Amino acid sequence: DAEITQSPRHKITETGRQVTLACHQTWNHNNMFWYRQDLGHGLRLIHYSYGVQDTNKGEVSDGYSVSRSNTEDLPLTLESAASSQTSVYFCASSQRKGMKDGYTFGSGTRLTVV
Amino acid sequence: GQQLNQSPQSMFIQEGEDVSMNCTSSSIFNTWLWYKQEPGEGPVLLIALYKAGELTSNGRLTAQFGITRKDSFLNISASIPSDVGIYFCAGQLGNAGNMLTFGGGTRLMVKP
Repeated sequence: DAEITQSPRHKITETGRQVTLACHQTWNHNNMFWYRQDLGHGLRLIHYSYGVQDTNKGEVSDGYSVSRSNTEDLPLTLESAASSQTSVYFCASSQRKGMKDGYTFGSGTRLTVV
Repeated sequence: GQQLNQSPQSMFIQEGEDVSMNCTSSSIFNTWLWYKQEPGEGPVLLIALYKAGELTSNGRLTAQFGITRKDSFLNISASIPSDVGIYFCAGQLGNAGNMLTFGGGTRLMVKP
């Protein structure tokens, strides 16, 4: 069965370190998205990609970067982790066009920056 | 950016009660979706709506796409403890391509 997998599920890192969160999907979806979820803020879009070599900034992109070298993966990198980036991160994917099935979400990565 | 106003923010109800939550916006949406997020998991799609006025059910869940295309509601009948979670509405704007806008979520708690 097709799936979308995030790893790790939990991570603790120190302020200033570079951290990469993985997202891998086997749906063959062109569109991939990264969100962060914080209490009181719902889901906020960090970065998204509509295909290989395509990346775009979302509403809270400062301090984050992504790269899309293949269809299956969209890793999210925190260049220099800050305590304000402590959050739960969700990756999602969707088909090329239309919203017939909406987004499919991963199970999330809980990141703590100490 | 565009915002969806979702209400209520939280609900604490007794098992067996019916639940209603809604999302409104000043913008017109082409598609409305409702997701449920259980603790420790990502949101899962419950219902998708594609036409103004559309009413769709999924078991005890019923959702409607508002006639004005600026709102949607989700009803849960005869709630049970496993309905606990955060419910999100999401909408696709006409000019937003493949982008969804999410509401802030409704946290539902059910007392057995």
